[in-house]
Amino acid sequence: DAGITQSPRHKVTETGTPVTLRCHQTENHRYMYWYRQDPGHGLRLIHYSYGVKDTDKGEVSDGYSVSRSKTEDFLLTLESATSSQTSVYFCAISRTSSGAANAGELFFGEGSRLTVL
Amino acid sequence: DQQVKQNSPSLSVQEGRISILNCDYTNSMFDYFLWYKKYPAEGPTFLISISSIKDKNEDGRFTVFLNKSAKHLSLHIVPSQPGDSAVYFCAASVPQGGSEKLVFGKGTKLTVNP
Repeated sequence: DAGITQSPRHKVTETGTPVTLRCHQTENHRYMYWYRQDPGHGLRLIHYSYGVKDTDKGEVSDGYSVSRSKTEDFLLTLESATSSQTSVYFCAISRTSSGAANAGELFFGEGSRLTVL
Repeated sequence: DQQVKQNSPSLSVQEGRISILNCDYTNSMFDYFLWYKKYPAEGPTFLISISSIKDKNEDGRFTVFLNKSAKHLSLHIVPSQPGDSAVYFCAASVPQGGSEKLVFGKGTKLTVNP
């Protein structure tokens, strides 16, 4: 158990509505990530954070924004959800201070399944 | 462009036999490679990794081989067990701006038949 909690775990919403997914960690790690998983695409990085108020884009960041006002919480927001954002979203943390995969790898939450109708 | 490729979407093997999952990559700057296992309705979990300066890493029934000249790595599971049935993701890490980010392949679904 890496101390990662994602909420909500399941959500169904309408196109055009805003959605916020929350990732909460209990271990005070610096690096946090949001990935989405889709059939035929594997896991793709949306955004990541390397500290409070320090975030950067991943490979599929369009249509998403993130915020990190506290070390323990990393929020992913879809300002206006579209059907193409139907996916399973995973939050992950790195347990190393530098975020280096070689030292600590990434630990994932259980995922948030989002359906946009 | 896809930097990490897992060309086999699925693999089926008999219990007790060897499972070999393959992964190819294109970016020579990758410095670390990892394998993750994912069960349905769960998050991916780390399985085994290898540094780009090595060609083999072993952990119990799991061995990862790296062929840098061919830009190819493979995961061997011996002997395979029904509990190994899962989706396996190959991932590669590239240092970028003080942090490292993982690039994942599309995954291979392994089924181990009793």
